[in-house]
Amino acid sequence: QKEVEQNSGPLSVPEGAIASLNCTYSDRGSQSFFWYRQYSGKSPELIMFIYSNGDKEDGRFTAQLNKASQYVSLLIRDSQPSDSATYLCAVKWVQEYGNKLVFGAGTILRVKS
Amino acid sequence: GAVVSQHPSWVICKSGTSVKIECRSLDFQATTMFWYRQFPKQSLMLMATSNEGSKATYEQGVEKDKFLINHASLTLSTLTVTSAHPEDSSFYICSALPGARANYGYTFGSGTRLTVV
Repeated sequence: QKEVEQNSGPLSVPEGAIASLNCTYSDRGSQSFFWYRQYSGKSPELIMFIYSNGDKEDGRFTAQLNKASQYVSLLIRDSQPSDSATYLCAVKWVQEYGNKLVFGAGTILRVKS
Repeated sequence: GAVVSQHPSWVICKSGTSVKIECRSLDFQATTMFWYRQFPKQSLMLMATSNEGSKATYEQGVEKDKFLINHASLTLSTLTVTSAHPEDSSFYICSALPGARANYGYTFGSGTRLTVV
């Protein structure tokens, strides 16, 4: 069984700080990696995806992927209280599982004003 | 673009009855849709992959006779929880892949909160 692991948190950061969310996965054949944000009682919303080693930036968000270390992270700059949510890391392994996404347990982020 | 509509958003039913949940892709065709279940304070667990025009693929441990999936068109998949029991109470979410490219993000429906009493 392939796994996606995240620290459940909660991760608390002050408003305006950088929040760093981490995710590790267990297989080197993985292809695509996704970060979703989920507010309590709501469905996940896609923040960004990454599939190449290195950094990918979108506004205040930066995803970082290191396939050799099987590690993907999400940085949130200038954190706002509205960023407080659960952040889900998801991995897609096409080779064995088709287009299925496997989710980590999620990290709770709390941004304090 | 890439909107997935899910109905109903919440439903309360009596134990032993069946409930149907609809998932529609509004502005794209989805040959594949996915059904997830999420219990409180837990992550999303994939229940099954819904394939247009063919049988769904269920994850290990998911009862196919209890969770009936029908994907009759390129824009609609339905999940029917048959003979629901209180332990089936959960948040059910569908998602679809809005494109043939493997790296597109998946779009999720708004979810259905099922409570079985």
